[in-house]
Amino acid sequence: DTEVTQTPKHLVMGMTNKKSLKCEQHMGHRAMYWYKQKAKKPPELMFVYSYEKLSINESVPSRFSPECPNSSLLNLHLHALQPEDSALYLCASSQTGQPGANVLTFGAGSRLTVL
Amino acid sequence: AQSVTQPDIHITVSEGASLELRCNYSYGATPYLFWYVQSPGQGLQLLLKYFSGDTLVQGIKGFEAEFKRSQSSFNLRKPSVHWSDAAEYFCAVGASTDSNYQLIWGAGTKLIIKP
Repeated sequence: DTEVTQTPKHLVMGMTNKKSLKCEQHMGHRAMYWYKQKAKKPPELMFVYSYEKLSINESVPSRFSPECPNSSLLNLHLHALQPEDSALYLCASSQTGQPGANVLTFGAGSRLTVL
Repeated sequence: AQSVTQPDIHITVSEGASLELRCNYSYGATPYLFWYVQSPGQGLQLLLKYFSGDTLVQGIKGFEAEFKRSQSSFNLRKPSVHWSDAAEYFCAVGASTDSNYQLIWGAGTKLIIKP
């Protein structure tokens, strides 16, 4: 069973659309992450939530807006994206919000295409 | 600056043959070390990690890795590969900066299995 669930698996959107990616974990982890991954590249950290508070924002453009309604849920709101934002968006969770000192459990990802 | 090098962009191995994937890092102290695997179109899964103690660590799916401090390396090995091992393999290093532990990723090595 996948312990971190992401929806939708695929999303196609125009540059004027507003959409959201969703992530859920039931492992009792207190930190959740958004990563962006382009083809043939390692994941790039976007945001970290620790105890439901935004603790790391890696200078991500404001067209990406994260939200953590509770410790199990993480959303990424998308608005006015550009074609270069097309990528695999990965959600992850861990015991605490230190990505380099914890095992990350990843979801299967949401494949985003911006037309 | 901290960095992680995976010198092989891709490696081709015959099914049943042994495998070694190389990972070298640059960091002034003993880091936390990870190997993650990513099957096509999927999220990442932890294969194994080194935090402290025995420098030879065992992971899932028959993989092992050895931390060699003198060589700043954490190479991944498997005695006999299976076709299902075809995937992208990422080495990652947890390094402390200020009060945070960043996760620094290698560029990845794509493993191709020949029948």
